[in-house]
Amino acid sequence: AQKITQTQPGMFVQEKEAVTLDCTYDTSDPSYGLFWYKQPSSGEMIFLIYQGSYDQQNATEGRYSLNFQKARKSANLVISASQLGDSAMYFCAMREVNTGFQKLVFGTGTRLLVSP
Amino acid sequence: EPEVTQTPSHQVTQMGQEVILRCVPISNHLYFYWYRQILGQKVEFLVSFYNNEISEKSEIFDDQFSVERPDGSNFTLKIRSTKLEDSAMYFCASLKATTRTSGRQETQYFGPGTRLLVL
Repeated sequence: AQKITQTQPGMFVQEKEAVTLDCTYDTSDPSYGLFWYKQPSSGEMIFLIYQGSYDQQNATEGRYSLNFQKARKSANLVISASQLGDSAMYFCAMREVNTGFQKLVFGTGTRLLVSP
Repeated sequence: EPEVTQTPSHQVTQMGQEVILRCVPISNHLYFYWYRQILGQKVEFLVSFYNNEISEKSEIFDDQFSVERPDGSNFTLKIRSTKLEDSAMYFCASLKATTRTSGRQETQYFGPGTRLLVL
């Protein structure tokens, strides 16, 4: 079964608008972490934001925020005031804490294109 | 800000040849990982390494693969006899773990990747 599901292969947004990238996850581990990474066309993986399963508040990092809905098992990334440089692939990933300091499981990604 | 570095950035090799991909993790990190991403696909876990031994490996990580931390700073991935299907971007990552009152944060920081092409 898919652990991380990103249902939007591509998204378009106009500069300065906000955009939400969807991510749902599946785990029976009560303790887990959720991550978003950005991959520009140059290929590197850039960490954006983290949400722990026990965190009471939604994570925020500058223009990035994570809309964490635990009961729905969703962890959507919200990018406010989109910029042209936000055009990239975005990957949602999960780590199940009780398995130790182990692997990240990634979704298939969403390609975001920001237009002027 | 400290970062994970990887060399080479690109590697072209003939099928059957051995390749060694090198990584220098962030200096005070203790957990190290290799992932790969076949072109256009998602990132896949290969292996994790802690305390000088493999802690977990995926089914992709067969006997052709090995990892080593030879000198306390470098972390290498060796592919003994490359196949065409090994062509991919290979990412090294290292783990920063901090304890917070609400839980435990583990953020893996990725290197820029090595793009391997097997001909």
